[in-house]
Amino acid sequence: QVRLQESGPGLVKPSETLSLTCTVSGGSITNFDWSWIRQPPGKGLEWIGYIDHNATTNYNPFLKSRVTISLDTSKSQFSLRLTSVTAADTADYYCARSYVAPFDYWGQGIPVTVSS
Amino acid sequence: QSVLTQPPSVSAPPGQKVTISCSGSRSNIGSNYVSWYQQVPGTAPKLLIYDNTKRPSGIPDRFSGSKSGTSATLDITGLQTGDEATYYCGTWDVNLSAHWVFGGGTKVTVL
Repeated sequence: QVRLQESGPGLVKPSETLSLTCTVSGGSITNFDWSWIRQPPGKGLEWIGYIDHNATTNYNPFLKSRVTISLDTSKSQFSLRLTSVTAADTADYYCARSYVAPFDYWGQGIPVTVSS
Repeated sequence: QSVLTQPPSVSAPPGQKVTISCSGSRSNIGSNYVSWYQQVPGTAPKLLIYDNTKRPSGIPDRFSGSKSGTSATLDITGLQTGDEATYYCGTWDVNLSAHWVFGGGTKVTVL
């Protein structure tokens, strides 16, 4: 069974860079597309972007200038970097897989707070 | 404000049916497949429906999806207490550059 696990700091200071990693186990990381999705407290879901099996990326146009998603197939991991964070970036961050269907597997999520 | 519009909440007694609508435009629902996700409080979302009508393995046939024009619908029949959750629709939007969009979510309450 495929399992996704997010990891990274739960607290980031304003103006700094948020960095998260998603580790994939129980299956291959190749031949799939991998996304980051976030959910501010009490609000809905927001797609951040994805990286496909060719390492091609596609980002939410409203976050594009601050987002980088990368893939490390040797470690079965993919990562998110979000620069110049503000309180508005406080959210639960989820990693997810897409194959035949969009977001068919999700990580449990990791809460990230932006605060000094 | 979400690009896809969903009612904030729907409710019905156990055993009844609820219908959740998802309204978009030609740049999203009108030209792409729709997926639906269920999020029980405190947990990650789960895929319920993809390609407008398809159910992943393990999803009961009480959940069904449809699409017409620029709107999509999720029906839940034989409502159970375990169905209490927030439901999100989602699809690709080709405005600006192709990007994924979610609806604002609909909270289902079993009375």
